[in-house]
Amino acid sequence: DVQMIQSPPSLSTSVGDKVTFSCQASQDVGSSVNWFQQKPGQAPKVLIYNASILETGVPSRFSGTGSGTRFSFSITSLQPEDIATYYCQQYDYLPTFGQGTRLDIK
Amino acid sequence: QVQLVESGGGVVRPGRSLRLSCVVSGFTFSRYGMHWVRQAPGKGLEWLTVISYDGRDKYYADSVQGRFTVSRDNSRNTVYLHMNNLKPGDTAVYFCANNAFDFWGQGTLVTVSS
Repeated sequence: DVQMIQSPPSLSTSVGDKVTFSCQASQDVGSSVNWFQQKPGQAPKVLIYNASILETGVPSRFSGTGSGTRFSFSITSLQPEDIATYYCQQYDYLPTFGQGTRLDIK
Repeated sequence: QVQLVESGGGVVRPGRSLRLSCVVSGFTFSRYGMHWVRQAPGKGLEWLTVISYDGRDKYYADSVQGRFTVSRDNSRNTVYLHMNNLKPGDTAVYFCANNAFDFWGQGTLVTVSS
């Protein structure tokens, strides 16, 4: 199985901040990475696919970069509604998720 | 609009079986593969299985291989997850999702407890 090591597990932040977190794959997955946002009691929502392509309707403050084994996800100018847990996922092989990064407000 | 609606969850004793269903509307179901993903209480997402558009190809996570079986009925726009020999560690919300993971159901809770 391809392991996706996501860091940090949690992040305290403030409205208006830029946040970045990362995901490292245990082997080359090309650009086959999704980033999801999940709020409590809801299903995950895909924000980024193919490592860097913004899903339709997702605000441009969200972005993703990377290829191969190293990937990062950023939110510029954090908004209150962005407080959630974020997951990376590779789909180059049978899909696997990272452990998640939980954002909360300082 | 696209809707995925899971059902079939509940409380079940260890060792018993359960079948989950996911009814899809809003896209041509028979053209696309479907996934099942679960999330244990307070934990992260775990991919379980995928079934191809025609049901011929199925793949499973090691954690459920041999106990869980995925199937589909394209005439009913429904994908199923048959779960056998359930264990307390299978307690989770179970989600279905389309092939690209851009549409998800709301999830159905399975609790395995004596």
